[in-house]
Amino acid sequence: SYVLTQPPSVSVAPGKTAIITCGGNNVGSKNVHWYQQKSGQAPVLVVYDDAVRPSGIPERFSGSNSGNAATLTISRVEAGDEADYFCQVWDSSSVHTVFGGGTKLTVL
Amino acid sequence: EVQLVESGGGLVQPGRSLRLSCTASEVTLRNFAMTWVRQAPGKGLEWVSSISGSVGSTYYADSVKGRFTISRDNSKNTLYLQMNSLRDEDTAIYYCATVSSGSFPYWGQGTLVTVSS
Repeated sequence: SYVLTQPPSVSVAPGKTAIITCGGNNVGSKNVHWYQQKSGQAPVLVVYDDAVRPSGIPERFSGSNSGNAATLTISRVEAGDEADYFCQVWDSSSVHTVFGGGTKLTVL
Repeated sequence: EVQLVESGGGLVQPGRSLRLSCTASEVTLRNFAMTWVRQAPGKGLEWVSSISGSVGSTYYADSVKGRFTISRDNSKNTLYLQMNSLRDEDTAIYYCATVSSGSFPYWGQGTLVTVSS
């Protein structure tokens, strides 16, 4: 089955840039979606189709996808960005949805 | 604004059954593909099952295939997840969400299922 690999944790100082990776075999050929989940809350879609922001998501959130890795970039990080972030794809070969293991973003 | 509300969670013994419901407001569910995603305590997100919008094709994670059934009642604008032969490892918060081109834009707040004797 298809596997997405994320680093368990990323730490960044306020105002700096956080980069969260999502690795998978030829993931660049798939559409990658990213979710933010704050403590005790339901996930929120922050980027879909690799790089598209839903309405209401700040421009500070951006995504890219190529080769074997997709990335979620959060610019000018704020304390309120502290959360778990999950990548997700639809694997057409298995007809399954797959989530990465999640990355905990800590704002120092 | 789309609102999804899950219900039906609770404490259940291993081997027993439970049916979760997801009721929508401000959206007609029959027009959408829908999905169930779960999250075990302190763990990540795990996709459980999806149902397509028009034909009603269904898809299941290997961990629940043969035990869980996703369905919808368009007259009640409600999505269901029938869970049979429950196991300890099915303990989780269960979320319903809409599906749009493979992503999940709208989520409910979740309902907790605890499987324990």
